Amino acid sequence: NAGVTQTPKFQVLKTGQSMTLQCAQDMNHEYMSWYRQDPGMGLRLIHYSVGAGITDQGEVPNGYNVSRSTTEDFPLRLLSAAPSQTSVYFCASSYDFPGGLNYNNEQFFGPGTRLTVL
Amino acid sequence: ILNVEQSPQSLHVQEGDSTNFTCSFPSSNFYALHWYRWETAKSPEALFVMTLNGDEKKKGRISATLNTKEGYSYLYIKGSQPEDSATYLCAFTGTASKLTFGTGTRLQVTL
Repeated sequence: NAGVTQTPKFQVLKTGQSMTLQCAQDMNHEYMSWYRQDPGMGLRLIHYSVGAGITDQGEVPNGYNVSRSTTEDFPLRLLSAAPSQTSVYFCASSYDFPGGLNYNNEQFFGPGTRLTVL
Repeated sequence: ILNVEQSPQSLHVQEGDSTNFTCSFPSSNFYALHWYRWETAKSPEALFVMTLNGDEKKKGRISATLNTKEGYSYLYIKGSQPEDSATYLCAFTGTASKLTFGTGTRLQVTL
């Protein structure tokens, strides 16, 4: 199993440009989520999905869109990049959603995408 | 916004020292408490998922305890080694389908 994969690893954008961060998992996990990591802020939840066709907002959703057309893929779209979106982005997946019936529900994280918006 | 706090922010110990850090979280609507280990330039890796008050889990030299009534969890490392150097994150799940992470404790173990 490849686990959770993310592409690209690094990206530099200009303000106003759009792009999609890719995330895929091959573990048949229902729950997928996107976090951003900023110095002194820890991991903050952007969007999450409890299954194909279902998405919801996390703590910091503004400026980001997501979709979940398949179980495997959960892309994160920046429609008009801003310098405030400079961050490291992590995708994670788990068998069940936090709060689901599977108590031992550890999250598996991808390697991260480092994004710089100039 | 849920408040998950970790202390200390950073810790510097010598090889062989035992150490511990704290995660505090809301005591109401508790579902689970996660601990993750995050090495520099890598991704967070799960250590423990704890759900029951009084729970104690162990993995090698690392163990964790949970007090849901007062809203805290301790992570202990016995006989720290340089390879234990990492940031240790805790994350709280309440009734919503989300994890709320603390900002982590950065541990550095030197020879």
